[in-house]
Amino acid sequence: GNSVTQMEGPVTLSEEAFLTINCTYTATGYPSLFWYVQYPGEGLQLLLKATKADDKGSNKGFEATYRKETTSFHLEKGSVQVSDSAVYFCALSDLVGSNYKLTFGKGTLLTVNP
Amino acid sequence: EPEVTQTPSHQVTQMGQEVILRCVPISNHLYFYWYRQILGQKVEFLVSFYNNEISEKSEIFDDQFSVERPDGSNFTLKIRSTKLEDSAMYFCASTRTGGTNQPQHFGDGTRLSIL
Repeated sequence: GNSVTQMEGPVTLSEEAFLTINCTYTATGYPSLFWYVQYPGEGLQLLLKATKADDKGSNKGFEATYRKETTSFHLEKGSVQVSDSAVYFCALSDLVGSNYKLTFGKGTLLTVNP
Repeated sequence: EPEVTQTPSHQVTQMGQEVILRCVPISNHLYFYWYRQILGQKVEFLVSFYNNEISEKSEIFDDQFSVERPDGSNFTLKIRSTKLEDSAMYFCASTRTGGTNQPQHFGDGTRLSIL
């Protein structure tokens, strides 16, 4: 079945540091890939998405490129801020049976210190 | 921006009791989902719902679980006889259309604590 493997956290960085959170996936079909973010006390918010190979999703300075050859969708940001502290989830959406569902990674807790 | 809203934010229930978690999806959305996240574990798919019926359900979604769209705006998840292992954060989500490229919009979740 489908699965998503994310880099284990927690990740602690200083403000303005470079961020990479690794994500790889296994899927039988042609999934779309997503990064969701969960700020403390809040729900899951879509951060960015990519729907086909070589697509790059970007939002709020974050980027991720859909790499079919390495089945990866790594999240990057060039200069993190304290406000980026949150849990980040990599997810894929694929057709399962008659409907679509999201399969999530375990989540990576990012803490950014001033 | 329209939001998915969930109530209550925290529910504490005795083991064996019934619990109903409520969700109001975004108003023009047609596909609805429930997920759960046990503390420290992955967010897991429970069930999807479209056109007033369940489209897909996971192994977790056994006979103790049911979903309903009672009035065209609410989407509820019922657990008939709760167990300790049902303690988790439950998320509702919705999309306007089907398709793998449609991001699901999530509520803030209900934290369910079974005593």
